Amino acid sequence: GAVVSQHPSRVICKSGTSVKIECRSLDFQATTMFWYRQFPKKSLMLMATSNEGSKATYEQGVEKDKFLINHASLTLSTLTVTSAHPEDSSFYICSAAPGIYEQYFGPGTRLTVT
Amino acid sequence: KNQVEQSPQSLIILEGKNCTLQCNYTVSPFSNLRWYKQDTGRGPVSLTIMTFSENTKSNGRYTATLDADTKQSSLHITASQLSDSASYICVVSVTGGSYIPTFGRGTSLIVHP
Repeated sequence: GAVVSQHPSRVICKSGTSVKIECRSLDFQATTMFWYRQFPKKSLMLMATSNEGSKATYEQGVEKDKFLINHASLTLSTLTVTSAHPEDSSFYICSAAPGIYEQYFGPGTRLTVT
Repeated sequence: KNQVEQSPQSLIILEGKNCTLQCNYTVSPFSNLRWYKQDTGRGPVSLTIMTFSENTKSNGRYTATLDADTKQSSLHITASQLSDSASYICVVSVTGGSYIPTFGRGTSLIVHP
């Protein structure tokens, strides 16, 4: 079956530093990748959509300079949280779509900014 | 505006009992509807996916139904187990244009022994 991995699964960083989260589709090519943020007991909130080789499309209210997304290949997308602050602490989940029919989620990354 | 509404928001049942979760949507033009299970601290895992022409689809003890005319879907869980405790999310996608699915807020299910 289709597998999406995320790395790291957990990260703790100090305020002001940057953190990079990787999302990989392991056994398929993803034309589109999505990044979500989820607060405790809340639904997934779409942050941005990215297609390989093009700039990401950010949702309203999401700072593109704060959350840098790179979709360098059909199997890899990265999310960099720049100059992280405690309010950026959250659960970040990526998903990869091989087409328009299905969407496979990664296991998530728990970010804690101290 | 495309919307997906799920009910109930939360549900508590005893182990072994059945339950049904609801999903109503206004997404148009409809492409497919998916149910996901999300355990706490994990990414969502796909349970079923249905297109316009499909009325029902099963995955083990999970059975999803779709009424494209009334724009309603349900997820029925049979003989619940403790491991069914999770959030169940309904996701609806549109045809054509950009592929950005619409998520429901989820139903939190707790199964007690």
